[in-house]
Amino acid sequence: SQQGEEDPQALSIQEGENATMNCSYKTSINNLQWYRQNSGRGLVHLILIRSNEREKHSGRLRVTLDTSKKSSSLLITASRAADTASYFCATDGPSGNTPLVFGKGTRLSVIA
Amino acid sequence: GAGVSQSPSNKVTEKGKDVELRCDPISGHTALYWYRQSLGQGLEFLIYFQGNSAPDKSGLPSDRFSAERTGGSVSTLTIQRTQQEDSAVYLCASSLPPGAGGQPQHFGDGTRLSIL
Repeated sequence: SQQGEEDPQALSIQEGENATMNCSYKTSINNLQWYRQNSGRGLVHLILIRSNEREKHSGRLRVTLDTSKKSSSLLITASRAADTASYFCATDGPSGNTPLVFGKGTRLSVIA
Repeated sequence: GAGVSQSPSNKVTEKGKDVELRCDPISGHTALYWYRQSLGQGLEFLIYFQGNSAPDKSGLPSDRFSAERTGGSVSTLTIQRTQQEDSAVYLCASSLPPGAGGQPQHFGDGTRLSIL
């Protein structure tokens, strides 16, 4: 069953703008991860945030986690055409030793 | 270092044939996962191997699907008597033991399977 649900399904922005993608999930988690997928390629891990963390940064990426609302957001600042890709959130279970459950993704298009 | 390698990258076969997909994980990664991704969709979990433990097969869609992991390294996903609905990209990922802290998964580029 789908655990993470990304919103919006698709997002189109101009280069230089910020992109925000949201993820909601249903059950308790140990950690939440964000991945990126370029067309025809495998997924690339971006960032992992644990359930006891509220915010995490990596370069132009900022991830927040609100466990009370069972939601997370991924912010990409100063977007570039090369950021065009699909972005997925993935969650594990409370014990952590379970396969990740992926959402359907947000398709981001950054227009130069 | 080498990443996760999958072969073949593309496979076209006739309905009813058996296919084998191969995954070479990153050396030292004890966890290995298989996923299926249909066009424009998210990832559907198929099977998970962790060390010497019994695999988690809960995601396999039917008994036509099976997977092995020999020597704790290379894995093969086999689909018997393929059907057109099996057409998808099959992705393999590996990681260090997930544990309580969680681990990032490292993905191969997948095998694009087309059933005619």
